This record gives sequence, C-alpha cells and structure tokens, in this order.
Amino acid sequence: DAKTTQPTSMDCAEGRAANLPCNHSTISGNEYVYWYRQIHSQGPQYIIHGLKNNETNEMASLIITEDRKSSTLILPHATLRDTAVYYCIVRYIPTFGRGTSLIVHP
Amino acid sequence: GAVVSQHPSWVICKSGTSVKIECRSLDFQATTMFWYRQFPKQSLMLMATSNEGSKATYEQGVEKDKFLINHASLTLSTLTVTSAHPEDSSFYICSADPPYLTGPSNIQYFGAGTRLSVL
Repeated sequence: DAKTTQPTSMDCAEGRAANLPCNHSTISGNEYVYWYRQIHSQGPQYIIHGLKNNETNEMASLIITEDRKSSTLILPHATLRDTAVYYCIVRYIPTFGRGTSLIVHP
Repeated sequence: GAVVSQHPSWVICKSGTSVKIECRSLDFQATTMFWYRQFPKQSLMLMATSNEGSKATYEQGVEKDKFLINHASLTLSTLTVTSAHPEDSSFYICSADPPYLTGPSNIQYFGAGTRLSVL
C-alpha cells in the first residue's frame, strides 16, 4: 500500500498562498492522490483529487510531480477558516495518517 | 454536492448499554460505506467497510461482535456499539462515495460525526 509523508504542522498568513506538500514515493500507476481536511470536531471534507495532471477547483489546486512521487496542495488565498488538519491520501479505501495541521494567522 | 448525514451527533450513555449510530446518504445510493473512529488529538482510524446486503469487512483489531454494522439498504448503514464501556468513548464518523461523482476514483463524503460518551 502506498503511504504518504506530510509535515506535522505549517502556518500561513491570511491572504497568502498555503502550499502543503505530500510525499507518496510508493504510489502505483493507477492510484489517485486525494486531499481532505478536517476542521476541529467535524467530519473530514473532500478538497480535490488527481491522477497525473494538475487539477484546480473552487477550493484549491493540486500539483502532482511528473514522476507522481509527490504532490502539493495549494490554497491560493488562505483564510482563517482554512485552519484545519489536511490529509493526503493515495489508497483507494481512505486511510488517514497524521496529516498536516495548518494554522492560518491574521 | 453529495450529502452524508449521521445521527445522532452526540450521545451519552451508561456503561453496559448499546448505542446505534445511523449513517445515511441523502442524495445518492451507496453500496459501500466506511466507518471510522477518532480519539482526541489522533487521526481517523478505519474500523470497517460496510457492504450493502452482505457482511461488513472489519479492520484488524476491531471486534466485530462489539461493533455491529448493518447495511440493509443503499442509503443507510448503522453502527451499533454493544455493551459500551468508557473506553469506547470516541468520535465515530462514516463516509460514502457518490458513484456519479467518482468514476474510477473514490472520493469520500463524510458525515459530521457522532460523539459518544460512555459514563
């Protein structure tokens, strides 16, 4: 099973871009990269996913390296409400690691 | 977007009693749902995969007789914590993937969670 490695914590100033990295060096060719986040005491929320190409939606952008061994989630203009734990997942059945605790400060 | 609803959102029960948690997919049918447990300051732990019309698949270390899962319809899965004890106090979360959104991928939509406190 492909595993992921994420920094434990990051912080970002409000209004700036938040770039959250994820390493998944053992990802297989047909495994997608998914990003979720969990705001305190709530259920996780789907953000974005991708296979090979970079993806963008109304919440974020996902940049996947050409070798697919790592990816970066970009929140282009972080707000205080983006403070959450962000999880990068590559398994078909979602299993959660410790994720990255992102704190957006004023 | 897809909606997964959990009920109740919070339950307090006495030790030894059983508690049932419902997970509903409100605008799609889900042949598979997942159940997770989360202790304070920890990540989500996958407990089991709930399969409509068949037995659930439990992760290693999860007692199937303790955590009964029933997925009797395409929109409802239930988790029953039997003979609950204080150590079962946790945040229980379910998820499902809307087939019209996911295709070959597996995007999960999560319920808001159920906080169980066993006294």
